[in-house]
Amino acid sequence: EAQVTQNPRYLITVTGKKLTVTCSQNMNHEYMSWYRQDPGLGLRQIYYSMNVEVTDKGDVPEGYKVSRKEKRNFPLILESPSPNQTSLYFCASSTGGGGYGYTFGSGTRLTVV
Amino acid sequence: GIQVEQSPPDLILQEGANSTLRCNFSDSVNNLQWFHQNPWGQLINLFYIPSGTKQNGRLSATTVATERYSLLYISSSQTTDSGVYFCAVSESTSYGKLTFGQGTILTVHP
Repeated sequence: EAQVTQNPRYLITVTGKKLTVTCSQNMNHEYMSWYRQDPGLGLRQIYYSMNVEVTDKGDVPEGYKVSRKEKRNFPLILESPSPNQTSLYFCASSTGGGGYGYTFGSGTRLTVV
Repeated sequence: GIQVEQSPPDLILQEGANSTLRCNFSDSVNNLQWFHQNPWGQLINLFYIPSGTKQNGRLSATTVATERYSLLYISSSQTTDSGVYFCAVSESTSYGKLTFGQGTILTVHP
């Protein structure tokens, strides 16, 4: 089944403890992105990648890192999480204009205390 | 950057009613998608429709790219249609970024 897989689905952590949210797609897509969703602010892009080793900042990149060493994986790294990074996170992938648009993962609900 | 406006912000229906959701965007796009976010938070891709008309069961969508708007039609609504509907676009110059509208919250009562 074609899909974008995020892990974990739920995570509660403490301020300052480094964490990684993994994202993997099995559709050989070039484009991958991370978004966060917050009440009243909607969905905003954090980072995106157009191919292996090619990444760029979205609208809200502060406090996040990404890497794209393999085509299928695009992990989101929070080096020192803070409570304002409590949010619902989505990973997405796309062929880049292939006629199907973006496919989203099931989301990761992160709470930083 | 591109602006995306959705209307109405909220919509309450009785089961069986029809509805139309609208998405206006401020610039040329090479991607437009409609998503349904279900009560569990999952974003379900309904349509990829940068132009033209598509139908999938009780749902259909039309995008008039030259006039910069898209419409999502829901016919014979069911309680399972409840949730938030998002329109998202990519500017013609930047496929890598999806910009989302603020969404329409749909509630369907039995």
